[in-house]
Amino acid sequence: GAGVSQSPSNKVTEKGKDVELRCDPISGHTALYWYRQSLGQGLEFLIYFQGNSAPDKSGLPSDRFSAERTGGSVSTLTIQRTQQEDSAVYLCASSFGGTQRGEQFFGPGTRLTVL
Amino acid sequence: AQSVTQPDIHITVSEGASLELRCNYSYGATPYLFWYVQSPGQGLQLLLKYFSGDTLVQGIKGFEAEFKRSQSSFNLRKPSVHWSDAAEYFCAVVHDYKLSFGAGTTVTVRA
Repeated sequence: GAGVSQSPSNKVTEKGKDVELRCDPISGHTALYWYRQSLGQGLEFLIYFQGNSAPDKSGLPSDRFSAERTGGSVSTLTIQRTQQEDSAVYLCASSFGGTQRGEQFFGPGTRLTVL
Repeated sequence: AQSVTQPDIHITVSEGASLELRCNYSYGATPYLFWYVQSPGQGLQLLLKYFSGDTLVQGIKGFEAEFKRSQSSFNLRKPSVHWSDAAEYFCAVVHDYKLSFGAGTTVTVRA
């Protein structure tokens, strides 16, 4: 597609339930990132995929968070046993990989609300 | 650790007036710096970036930024603000391919 797309745009869930957030990067982009935007923490990095390399998971806040990227394209961020502090906007970005200078293009985000 | 700081949480400016948003960085080497804008309910859009070379960089929507190593700053400017510039602005630095963002500055434009 023309840009990064994310689904759903909004997700409301109950505490303790699992959720899956999806990201479709720009075609041809080898690098994919997940960030989280919350009132208390601002914008923070979660995880980074580059091609077939092992992902950089250094930003994941707990082992309840995981992500995968299938076929070098679509990515799914999974949050298990959601907590209220997981409420945030989850942003996905993609870029041409292999360089620090590559512009990261962001999707519109998924707003997650945990009741 | 490499980071950026945006000292101003909120700025109000009159339409047609000039705008300057401050960003200070903490980084050992020459940083790769970015300014992003986020309109309400939207994702982040890149305004401009600095890697090296000319310290005054031009971006989209009439914005420019100046890299000043002596002041560890990368301030964003626009000579004449339009109502559509009301948004949240984020300064960021990249390290190990990951962006670290400042806390953001919300810009309100009054008629």
